Amino acid sequence: GAGVSQSPSNKVTEKGKDVELRCDPISGHTALYWYRQSLGQGLEFLIYFQGNSAPDKSGLPSDRFSAERTGGSVSTLTIQRTQQEDSAVYLCASSLPPGYRSYEQYFGPGTRLTVT
Amino acid sequence: QKEVEQNSGPLSVPEGAIASLNCTYSDRGSQSFFWYRQYSGKSPELIMFIYSNGDKEDGRFTAQLNKASQYVSLLIRDSQPSDSATYLCAVNSDRGSTLGRLYFGRGTQLTVWP
Repeated sequence: GAGVSQSPSNKVTEKGKDVELRCDPISGHTALYWYRQSLGQGLEFLIYFQGNSAPDKSGLPSDRFSAERTGGSVSTLTIQRTQQEDSAVYLCASSLPPGYRSYEQYFGPGTRLTVT
Repeated sequence: QKEVEQNSGPLSVPEGAIASLNCTYSDRGSQSFFWYRQYSGKSPELIMFIYSNGDKEDGRFTAQLNKASQYVSLLIRDSQPSDSATYLCAVNSDRGSTLGRLYFGRGTQLTVWP
């Protein structure tokens, strides 16, 4: 079946602009995660949605970052007033509902964000 | 602060050899452990997961977990050039609001030369 999809695949923006990154999880996956990966670094957790529960926002690096998930499916990560240090690959992952291999996360292809 | 440590490598092995990748973690309460493979420019791909102490085998891959030592490893037997990638160790902490989130190591870069 279809995997996790993300758009755009690449985004170049000027410092100070706002950007929106989109993630469409695997059908039937109730959990959705955002991570980012800077060059040569591991994956840094940003935010986690599980069903209708309040999201875990503990990984968001500043109040310029926000995310929402509409209808329990598609999610949008918004970065306001982008800075050069925001340049990274932003990865979205999804997993099944709790109780059945819910810890196994499947990643999308990522959005490469470059802030000039 | 939950930490996951891996040797960054690079680890270089000849084709047909066994590649051994190691990972340690700081949170003793961690419950599940994952190995992801990431080819250059691509997203991580789940290749192994393990929840219980001991060994788990899947084809050429064996994951080993020792919770007392807070240590998890991945063995790749009969290594192939196509195994050349960065291998990410990830740990899940089954507690409260962190349920589901993964803590990743920085990855070990593996090169298998013909």
